[in-house]
Amino acid sequence: QKEVEQDPGPLSVPEGAIVSLNCTYSNSAFQYFMWYRQYSRKGPELLMYTYSSGNKEDGRFTAQVDKSSKYISLFIRDSQPSDSATYLCAKRDAGNMLTFGGGTRLMVKP
Amino acid sequence: NAGVTQTPKFQVLKTGQSMTLQCAQDMNHNSMYWYRQDPGMGLRLIYYSASEGTTDKGEVPNGYNVSRLNKREFSLRLESAAPSQTSVYFCAIRGGYTEAFFGQGTRLTVV
Repeated sequence: QKEVEQDPGPLSVPEGAIVSLNCTYSNSAFQYFMWYRQYSRKGPELLMYTYSSGNKEDGRFTAQVDKSSKYISLFIRDSQPSDSATYLCAKRDAGNMLTFGGGTRLMVKP
Repeated sequence: NAGVTQTPKFQVLKTGQSMTLQCAQDMNHNSMYWYRQDPGMGLRLIYYSASEGTTDKGEVPNGYNVSRLNKREFSLRLESAAPSQTSVYFCAIRGGYTEAFFGQGTRLTVV
């Protein structure tokens, strides 16, 4: 079992929809959780990171961590075609290694 | 404002050939990382360097070597390329709590 699991998608939604992207993880030692966005043939770019359980909001993006169920989510409000990309979740534990999920491909249709 | 620059962007190698992937940053960060990305597997850490003069193995170091030449540059070397090393390679630097800046990637095909 991979330490961080994501549904690969693709997830297709109409413009303006609320998008929910999810990850599960299997190691309770995880401390920090991150979301990255990766456009086709580009490097990942950091969207958000969070340390604790609960919600963190940044514009149209909300990251949610539920440590009791080992579940992390990214919500995108008012989704735009420019949000079409692959979204990667990641965790960092007490060491120095970042572990990534396989990514979920999102398509927002005009 | 280049951030993280990787060279080359594309490369085709024959099995057994060697090559060095270059990474340079202009953001004055200490920690630098090399990842590989394969379809459906996310990014996996090959090696990292917490500071100039130090390097450590990541999750998949076999078949690779690295050099932290100075604070700006961190290179990844394949001594004898194998088809299993066909991948997209990303260099990253750490800003704050996490890898915050990635290069554009090097697409490597080993035939």
